[in-house]
Amino acid sequence: GNSVTQMEGPVTLSEEAFLTINCTYTATGYPSLFWYVQYPGEGLQLLLKATKADDKGSNKGFEATYRKETTSFHLEKGSVQVSDSAVYFCALSTGTYKYIFGTGTRLKVLA
Amino acid sequence: GAGVSQTPSNKVTEKGKYVELRCDPISGHTALYWYRQSLGQGPEFLIYFQGTGAADDSGLPNDRFFAVRPEGSVSTLKIQRTERGDSAVYLCASSPRRAQNTEAFFGQGTRLTVV
Repeated sequence: GNSVTQMEGPVTLSEEAFLTINCTYTATGYPSLFWYVQYPGEGLQLLLKATKADDKGSNKGFEATYRKETTSFHLEKGSVQVSDSAVYFCALSTGTYKYIFGTGTRLKVLA
Repeated sequence: GAGVSQTPSNKVTEKGKYVELRCDPISGHTALYWYRQSLGQGPEFLIYFQGTGAADDSGLPNDRFFAVRPEGSVSTLKIQRTERGDSAVYLCASSPRRAQNTEAFFGQGTRLTVV
């Protein structure tokens, strides 16, 4: 079946450090891939998405590239800020339109 | 309001009781989803509505769970004979149309605690 695996947290970084959160997936067909973010006390928000192989999604300094050959969609940011502290979820969607989410990775950025 | 609204934000109920959770989607959104998020886990799909009909209810865990969307807007998730294992955050999301890569907009969820 379809599934998403993402690195366990928590991830603790100092401000301006480089961030990578790994995400790999298993899916039949050609899924769309997403990163959602959940800030403290808020609902899930779409951070970025990619709909086909080699697409790069980007937003707020975050980037992720849809790699079909490695079935990955790793999230990166060159310089994190304290305000990036949140829980990040990798997700996929197939033709059934429902999302399959990973377990989430908590990021804590220290000033 | 501008976003997906869920009420109540918190609900504590006794084991065996019946509960209803409400979702008000973004106006004009035809697709509506319910998810359940247990502690330390990602959201898990429960049910998907397109308009008034449940297009996919394959994620409902058992027949104690039921959801309706009678007028194609507000939806209610109903749980009968609640069990402690039902404790979780129940998330509602909506999107403007049925499409694979369409963004879903999530509400803040209802935290259900069964004691």
